[in-house]
Amino acid sequence: EVQLVESGGGLVQPGGSLRISCAASGFSFGSYSMDWVRQAPGKGLEWVSYISGSTNIKYYADSVKGRFTISRDNAKNSLYLEINRLRDDDTAVYYCARDRASGCSGGSCYGWNFDLWGRGTRVTVSS
Amino acid sequence: DIQMTQSPSSLSASVGDRVTITCRASQSITTYLNWYQQRPGRAPKLLIYAASRLQSGVPSRFSGSGSGTDFTLTISSLQPEDFATYYCEQTYITPPRMFGQGTKVEVK
Repeated sequence: EVQLVESGGGLVQPGGSLRISCAASGFSFGSYSMDWVRQAPGKGLEWVSYISGSTNIKYYADSVKGRFTISRDNAKNSLYLEINRLRDDDTAVYYCARDRASGCSGGSCYGWNFDLWGRGTRVTVSS
Repeated sequence: DIQMTQSPSSLSASVGDRVTITCRASQSITTYLNWYQQRPGRAPKLLIYAASRLQSGVPSRFSGSGSGTDFTLTISSLQPEDFATYYCEQTYITPPRMFGQGTKVEVK
């Protein structure tokens, strides 16, 4: 079955650290770029970070730059997010998502989309 | 960064209604626009990509249109399982990937 399963969330004190993981199965993991997207309680979706499939290109949202580190192990079909210096506003459900090209036609291409999502792992920052 | 603005923020509708949600980009994004559905307590699900292309397995009552800065998601006949929050997303200039603030479709 094609799926993503996040783990590692929990309750952490402000200033603390956590590593969350995403296990992929049912597809060629190393062939896809992957992202983390989070959702604070009662709020909308916020993109957090991106990592390419095999070239180690990484991007971060300004709100997490310098505190979060994305990584992957293609041999283990796993994606990770190291979260440091946690703040109250990092409290959220963190989803991993597969990044798929939207395709091209007639010389025009159509960007990217998140075609596969995990169920999320909850990170709560509180003292 | 490109800002995405959805309207309305919420709407009330009945089963069988035709529902239209609008998404506006702060600059042209051609057709680099996706729509997602999120049911309560669930992960988001891709409905439409490239503005008008239906994701595999998504019912044909969902459709998308638009280009440039203005886009529309239409549900032709609302079903009980369609009560959810809908998000648009642009991928024309990234990073960052930007989502709209969401439109909640509620029961009238």
